[in-house]
Parts: sequence; structure tokens; C-alpha cells
Amino acid sequence: AQSVTQLGSHVSVSEGALVLLRCNYSSSVPPYLFWYVQYPNQGLQLLLKYTSAATLVKGINGFEAEFKKSETSFHLTKPSAHMSDAAEYFCAVSLQGGSEKLVFGKGTKLTVNP
Amino acid sequence: SAVISQKPSRDICQRGTSLTIQCQVDSQVTMMFWYRQQPGQSLTLIATANQGSEATYESGFVIDKFPISRPNLTFSTLTVSNMSPEDSSIYLCSDQQGLGSYNEQFFGPGTRLTVL
Repeated sequence: AQSVTQLGSHVSVSEGALVLLRCNYSSSVPPYLFWYVQYPNQGLQLLLKYTSAATLVKGINGFEAEFKKSETSFHLTKPSAHMSDAAEYFCAVSLQGGSEKLVFGKGTKLTVNP
Repeated sequence: SAVISQKPSRDICQRGTSLTIQCQVDSQVTMMFWYRQQPGQSLTLIATANQGSEATYESGFVIDKFPISRPNLTFSTLTVSNMSPEDSSIYLCSDQQGLGSYNEQFFGPGTRLTVL
């Protein structure tokens, strides 16, 4: 079965600083990987997805993530944090050619300080 | 991507009552899912709802507690039955377009439920 581990339930950065949110996955077959963002009192919005094409995936709002099979990682980065990036971020995994179910990590709450 | 709406957006309910949450998609979709997000927690899949068949429940969730309907390709309901304070959560529905979608799901805004 697949699983996702997000290191750090809370991450705090200064405005303009690099954002790095960590995600490691476990999967017996090639995975699809996703990052979702949840702003306060809202549903989830897809930031980006890895579907076995390019290993470096660019998403919305300047975020990107790199799939590293050797490290079983899919960390989310943004070069320069903006106040509007403050939200909770969820990494999720599903199986290529397998179950359509998404398995979510526990989430990382990002705080951006002025 | 399809636009998903949920009703109600929030509710406060008494213990022992039931609440039905509606999920409407603005286009036909193959698969719909219902999730629970307990306070401060991640999303947990309750069940998968396909049109024309019984919902498939995840371990720990049963039909008597969370009956689901999927009468057509654009609509689904989730009922939270005989509620207790432990059912206080955000309930989210999502959809998936089907083959070729890479299992990508789009989410509704959620229903924030408080049980007293």
C-alpha cells in the first residue's frame, strides 16, 4: 500500500525567503504524486502533479516540485515566499494504473512572516 | 476541471440527529469521493461513489453511519447519521474525470459540521 510522510507539521519562513516543504512517499509501483493547498476555511486546490513525464514539475503560484525516485521524495519549493502563501499544504499519492484513491499526508502548515 | 459546490457550507447539529450533505458538479464525472477532515488533521477517504452502483467504503466507515447516494453523473449526497461530537469535521467531496486524468481529483469547498 502507498503512504506519504510530510516532515514538519509547521514551517515558518520570512517573506521573500525560500519555501521548502518536504514529502516522502512509499509505493510498490510507480506513483502519481500531487501537492494540494488549503487556504483557511476553503477546500483543497491542486498546486501541481507528477505523472511520470518530467521529473521537475511546475505548478501554480510559482511553486514547483521535483520527483526523485532514488530518494522517494517529492519536495515542494518556491524561491520567494509571499504573504498570500500562508496555508496548509498536503502531499498525496496514488498508483499509476492502479487504484484511483488518493492517500494524503498529514499536512504542513506554512506561516509567512513579514 | 469541473466546478464543485457543496451544501450546506456549515451546520451545527444536535447529538443523535442526521445531516445530509449535497455535492453538485457542473459536468458529468465518472468518480466521486467523500472525505472527512477532522480538526487539525489530514483528509481521510470515507468512500468512493460511482453512479449506478453501491458506494465502496474504506476501512472504519460503514454504510449505516455514512449512507451515500449517487443518482446521476453530476450529484452525490453523504448522510452523517446518528451524530455524536466525534463527527465534528469538515466533509469534502471530490471528483475525478476518469481514465487519462492521472487520478487527479478536484475538491469542493467542504461542509464544516459541528455536533453539540
